[in-house]
Amino acid sequence: KAGVTQTPRYLIKTRGQQVTLSCSPISGHRSVSWYQQTPGQGLQFLFEYFSETQRNKGNFPGRFSGRQFSNSRSEMNVSTLELGDSALYLCASSLDRRNTEAFFGQGTRLTVV
Amino acid sequence: AQSVTQPDIHITVSEGASLELRCNYSYGATPYLFWYVQSPGQGLQLLLKYFSGDTLVQGIKGFEAEFKRSQSSFNLRKPSVHWSDAAEYFCAVGRNSGNTPLVFGKGTRLSVIA
Repeated sequence: KAGVTQTPRYLIKTRGQQVTLSCSPISGHRSVSWYQQTPGQGLQFLFEYFSETQRNKGNFPGRFSGRQFSNSRSEMNVSTLELGDSALYLCASSLDRRNTEAFFGQGTRLTVV
Repeated sequence: AQSVTQPDIHITVSEGASLELRCNYSYGATPYLFWYVQSPGQGLQLLLKYFSGDTLVQGIKGFEAEFKRSQSSFNLRKPSVHWSDAAEYFCAVGRNSGNTPLVFGKGTRLSVIA
């Protein structure tokens, strides 16, 4: 069974640009959550999608957005990139929303220069 | 609000020695508790989880954790550490009814010396 796949693995962007990250969950999983990981703040929750609807949102500015498709694949978008957006972005997939087990992808390392 | 505290930022142990990583949580009801491990540049891998029942849970790679409700703790242990255990370890708490995101501690970095 394939795991959670995140693409791309690495990205370098310039301040002011926008970026789209992709996450393919484990087959059959319908819940996808996104986290930002930085050395200073640790793992911070961005948002959760289930059945193509955003169910929860963390405390991030509106520049951070996401969506989920009918096949449960999810994308997150960051517009008007800032240096502080440099981080490892992790996607986690779960069978449902009951917090029973979340499987993480390897992440996308975003560097903003 | 849920919160997780991992008091130790960095721990160094000798190979073959025992290990205990501390985790304290704040939550108003019976939580779901997890330990994850992250190797450099990688995602998080689930080591073990506690939902209910036996308070001592066994996980992968020889790890175990004990849920102590009275102390609001869920400490991770391993009797004999291997060099390959060097990584960052995260404790997380979730609501047993779901519908809320997992909350993670800041992590404990484990170094293993010969």
